Amino acid sequence: DAKTTQPNSMESNEEEPVHLPCNHSTISGTDYIHWYRQLPSQGPEYVIHGLTSNVNNRMASLAIAEDRKSSTLILHRATLRDAAVYYCILRVLLGGGADGLTFGKGTHLIIQP
Amino acid sequence: DAGVTQSPTHLIKTRGQQVTLRCSPKSGHDTVSWYQQALGQGPQFIFQYYEEEERQRGNFPDRFSGHQFPNYSSELNVNALLLGDSALYLCASSPGTGRETQYFGPGTRLLVL
Repeated sequence: DAKTTQPNSMESNEEEPVHLPCNHSTISGTDYIHWYRQLPSQGPEYVIHGLTSNVNNRMASLAIAEDRKSSTLILHRATLRDAAVYYCILRVLLGGGADGLTFGKGTHLIIQP
Repeated sequence: DAGVTQSPTHLIKTRGQQVTLRCSPKSGHDTVSWYQQALGQGPQFIFQYYEEEERQRGNFPDRFSGHQFPNYSSELNVNALLLGDSALYLCASSPGTGRETQYFGPGTRLLVL
């Protein structure tokens, strides 16, 4: 599986934008970029995913580099509730079948009030 | 609509014992995946069940086994417990078409003494 690299931790202030980076230099053309987050004492939850173009949803935005070797998850206005561990995961695009997720250690996001 | 549910929430066992954890998938989902999350680490994929068969397995020994029932609920069994099996065990469900978003339960925290 292609590997992702994320900073161990990041800190931001409440109501400010947060940019969480992810490097995936060995990404293949069939890999989607997925982000999940895990709030304290909960299971992971899906945040967003994309292939080549930037993506937006109600939770966040995903900016993907032109060469696809890196991406950035953007929280436009962080709240205390966004404090969590954020995981960047690559998933093969094609076909159905088995799809166990490969998690790294993720980025621990700390939000200061 | 109930999400993914897991039972029990917490469990304490001693070395050498056996344990069974249970998972009910989100309504409409027929695929169940199990993950182990040690303290401070990202979740590690154990195996995935679809149509009552194990269709993908991660790097876990045969002491870890599972089952899926006709109603799509699932069990994770761990035999001959080791201290290192202490972890949060997460269940995730998804539609069987593959490559879909996985929805996680809150997990079962297992402590082996």
